[in-house]
Amino acid sequence: EVQLVESGGGLVQPGRSLKLSCVASGFTFSNYGMNWIRQAPGKGLEWVAYISSGSSYIYYAETVKGRFTISRDNAKNTLYLQMTSLRSEDTALYYCARSLRRVEGLDYWGQGVMVTVSS
Amino acid sequence: DIQMTQSPSSLSASLGDRVTITCRASQDIGNYLTWFQQKPGKSPRRMIYGATNLEDGVPSRFSGSRSGSDYSLTISSLESEDVADYHCLQSIQYPLTFGSGTKLEIK
Repeated sequence: EVQLVESGGGLVQPGRSLKLSCVASGFTFSNYGMNWIRQAPGKGLEWVAYISSGSSYIYYAETVKGRFTISRDNAKNTLYLQMTSLRSEDTALYYCARSLRRVEGLDYWGQGVMVTVSS
Repeated sequence: DIQMTQSPSSLSASLGDRVTITCRASQDIGNYLTWFQQKPGKSPRRMIYGATNLEDGVPSRFSGSRSGSDYSLTISSLESEDVADYHCLQSIQYPLTFGSGTKLEIK
């Protein structure tokens, strides 16, 4: 069974940093691209970042470029999102999701982890 | 960036009704269109991928179609368990972009 389990969220002050993790199981993690997507309370979905299976290709949404860093450790089956210079508008539920072929979109999602940026 | 214009933003329909939700792409996205269902407090679930392909385990009352730059998700006969938010996603280029979502309720 495919499982993606996020962790690392919490309450953080504006300007501070936080690192999210997503542990994968039930599939060959190193074969899949991985994404972070977020959803602000009561709002729609916003794609945040993508990393290819071997970390060769990385893309970011403009809203987080220069502040967030996506990375992965295939030996640990873990995806990361390092978030710095956090703003109140980064408050959201953060999901990790996998992708194989772009035409197929994102097929499995984690349960999400909440990040609240507030003083 | 590719804009995905989703409509309607909310929809109230009766059990057994045929329901259609549409996303319009601002540029050619081919069949790189996915539909997700999201129930309250849950993660999104992929329903349709490649514009028309039904995810395994998804009821056959769900279908996806394309007409030019318009992509539709249709529920042929609405059931109570279909109450959810629905989102479209284009994945032909980065940044990936979602539609704004449709809240589907029972009348």
